[in-house]
Formats: sequence, C-alpha cells, structure tokens
Amino acid sequence: SQQGEEDPQALSIQEGENATMNCSYKTSINNLQWYRQNSGRGLVHLILIRSNEREKHSGRLRVTLDTSKKSSSLLITASRAADTASYFCATDASQNQGGKLIFGQGTELSVKP
Amino acid sequence: DTGVSQDPRHKITKRGQNVTFRCDPISEHNRLYWYRQTLGQGPEFLTYFQNEAQLEKSRLLSDRFSAERPKGSFSTLEIQRTEQGDSAMYLCASSLVSLRDGTGELFFGEGSRLTVL
Repeated sequence: SQQGEEDPQALSIQEGENATMNCSYKTSINNLQWYRQNSGRGLVHLILIRSNEREKHSGRLRVTLDTSKKSSSLLITASRAADTASYFCATDASQNQGGKLIFGQGTELSVKP
Repeated sequence: DTGVSQDPRHKITKRGQNVTFRCDPISEHNRLYWYRQTLGQGPEFLTYFQNEAQLEKSRLLSDRFSAERPKGSFSTLEIQRTEQGDSAMYLCASSLVSLRDGTGELFFGEGSRLTVL
C-alpha cells in the first residue's frame, strides 16, 4: 500500500521557473525523504527531513514538513532541463527506526528549455 | 553510480519459469531492501534485511517469492513459476542505519527489469 500521495501527478514548466511538489501521508512518521528517478534508472536520494524539523535546504532544493497536516512540499528553484524526472516522497513510519520506506506515486516533472 | 549493483539488468522469461536476481550492496551498509516498481507507479516495498536476518516481508510477497542474504553480503531474490503480473522493475537498495536515530537514506541500484511472456 502507498502511504504518500503526491500532487500534482504531472507538472510541466519552463526552464528558470520554480517547481513545487506536494506530498501527503497518513500515519505519524520518523522522517520523510525525497527521491528523484530518471526514466528507466534507479532512484537517487535528494533530501531527508526528520519529524522534529520544519524546513531544510540543499542547493536549489527546499523541503518543508508540517506534521500537524501530515504533509510535505519540495520546491526546486530556478529549474533546469536536467531536472526533468519523477520525484517521489517516502516516509519512514516504522516502529523500529530505519525500517522500510513507503513511497508515494510520484510527480512527473518536465522542464522545457 | 551509487555503488549498488544489480544483475541482470534485463530478463525476459516465459511464464512458469524461475528467475533469480542478484544485488550487491555498498559493502559497509547493514540494511538491504528489495522493492518492485511498475510503470507510472512508485516503488512498492517487498522485504528488507539487517545483515543476514530478514526483518520484514510484505504481504505482496507470495510464496513464489523468496529472498536471501547469506553472510550478510549480497542478496538474491528468486521468483518461482513466474506469472505475467510479475513483470516489473525489481529494485535493490542498501543503507547504513544510524545507531543514533536509526535513520538512513537508501542507495538504489539501477534495477533488474523483468518481462514475463
């Protein structure tokens, strides 16, 4: 079963614009992670935010977490054509921390040059 | 290249045949995970290991599926009597779980794509 739901399912923007993807989940979590996947490839970890954190930055990425609303957002600023990929949120909701991650359905981002 | 390698990258088989996938994780990582992904969907959890112990197995994993991690190193995922519904990308990932808070990012391999005819 999928814990996370991403919104939108697909997003098309022009190079230089910002892209915002949202993720909602159902149960309390230890942490939430965002991953990127290029077509036909494995997933690559982008950023991890713990349940006691509200915001985190990494380069052009900004992630927020609102545990009261059980939601997170990923903002990519000044997008580039190379950012074209699918983006997934994943939650660690295990009793024993560091257990399985449950992934959402993903947002397919297309950045047009 | 994340350092996690999977073999084979592609496998085409006929329904009813057995297939085996191998995953070599990053050597110092203590956790190894198997996921399955179909087109347009997110990865679905199958099972994971802490060293050689299989700690959790999804209900998605029928009796036809078995995973092993002998000596806590590489892992194999075997599917017996394959069905067309088994066609998917099988992803392996490893992580180093923090002793402080048990949190670790997953490093994924490139996946093994299975096509069952």
